[in-house]
Amino acid sequence: DAGVIQSPRHEVTEMGQEVTLRCKPISGHDYLFWYRQTMMRGLELLIYFNNNVPIDDSGMPEDRFSAKMPNASFSTLKIQPSEPRDSAVYFCASSLYNTGKAFFGQGTRLTVV
Amino acid sequence: DAKTTQPPSMDCAEGRAANLPCNHSTISGNEYVYWYRQIHSQGPQYIIHGLKNNETNEMASLIITEDRKSSTLILPHATLRDTAVYYCIVRVPEDTNAGKSTFGDGTTLTVKP
Repeated sequence: DAGVIQSPRHEVTEMGQEVTLRCKPISGHDYLFWYRQTMMRGLELLIYFNNNVPIDDSGMPEDRFSAKMPNASFSTLKIQPSEPRDSAVYFCASSLYNTGKAFFGQGTRLTVV
Repeated sequence: DAKTTQPPSMDCAEGRAANLPCNHSTISGNEYVYWYRQIHSQGPQYIIHGLKNNETNEMASLIITEDRKSSTLILPHATLRDTAVYYCIVRVPEDTNAGKSTFGDGTTLTVKP
């Protein structure tokens, strides 16, 4: 298995632009998590899905952030409009049965200028 | 989820055992102890987890005290590639709120030649 795949690996965008981050979880996993990591706040859980259904989005910072999981093999995290303070590394992770043993992707480093 | 306390940093000589402590004095009976690590510029990587018995896998050993209030992750023969931030997390598997478990600040382990 190729593991959790995220794209793009790096994204540089201008303030106000829409940004879409993509994630392909490990086949067969039924939980998908989106995290954000910054030096100031560490690794924060933004939202997670179970069987494509959002379970808890309380970590999503603002209405500018939205996440979707249209099917079991694909999820997106969208920021519209983007702001410089959104600059961070965004990780996607997946797991089976939410056992706590999650597999993380390599992350997307987002820079908003 | 119970909170954990870890030393911010540790050094270890290459080839020697690295012993990383974690305090979780408020752990409840059904919470497991999980360890992850994050090598620079990569996503977190699952290492090991356990409830009350000591556990060992190809990566590390986990020693949990009898009262379960603390644990130690042991890397038996540390290499330079083990330099990373190590996170100790306690949570209940299958808990619908388990996705909220946070990673905290972790311990930065530096393996030196």
